[in-house]
Amino acid sequence: AQKITQTQPGMFVQEKEAVTLDCTYDTSDPSYGLFWYKQPSSGEMIFLIYQGSYDQQNATEGRYSLNFQKARKSANLVISASQLGDSAMYFCAMREIQGAQKLVFGQGTRLTINP
Amino acid sequence: KAGVTQTPRYLIKTRGQQVTLSCSPISGHRSVSWYQQTPGQGLQFLFEYFSETQRNKGNFPGRFSGRQFSNSRSEMNVSTLELGDSALYLCASSFPGQSYNEQFFGPGTRLTVL
Repeated sequence: AQKITQTQPGMFVQEKEAVTLDCTYDTSDPSYGLFWYKQPSSGEMIFLIYQGSYDQQNATEGRYSLNFQKARKSANLVISASQLGDSAMYFCAMREIQGAQKLVFGQGTRLTINP
Repeated sequence: KAGVTQTPRYLIKTRGQQVTLSCSPISGHRSVSWYQQTPGQGLQFLFEYFSETQRNKGNFPGRFSGRQFSNSRSEMNVSTLELGDSALYLCASSFPGQSYNEQFFGPGTRLTVL
């Protein structure tokens, strides 16, 4: 069964610093995708970045990058130069490629950026 | 292009009642998935509909049901509401065929059961 683990319930970071949010996963399927979503207090889930299990390069999207270590089953999100607007809940999620559109989410990390 | 819309945004019901939530996917998207988010259980998959057929179902009781119409709009229904059904219900749409099938989420419906 798929499982996503986010071990940091909350993180506090100074503005402009880089921050790493941890995510480990477990699956027996060799084909899967890993996602990071941001959820502000409004509730909407905002897609940030995606990494496929066969992708050779770590994914990057602007200030977001994904540190993908397949052997360790780790997919950490790195946010460079954090901004006050980055304060939100962050969720790591996984989908097995052969399955239907079912995302399995971690418990989330609440990130607070301090001025 | 309009995003995923969900109606209503907020809903208050009492135990024993039933409720219907609506989700309109992004134009052209044919897959709609529903998720329940609670402080205790986190985000949990309810079910997915594609071309009016339920393709996958999460581990929820039969009180939770859904359907999808020919225009890909989807509804989910919860009968005999319980206090524990209070949650944020999120709908997501996707266009199968893309390389990674990103799911685009709506703003959610916040259901409170009294």
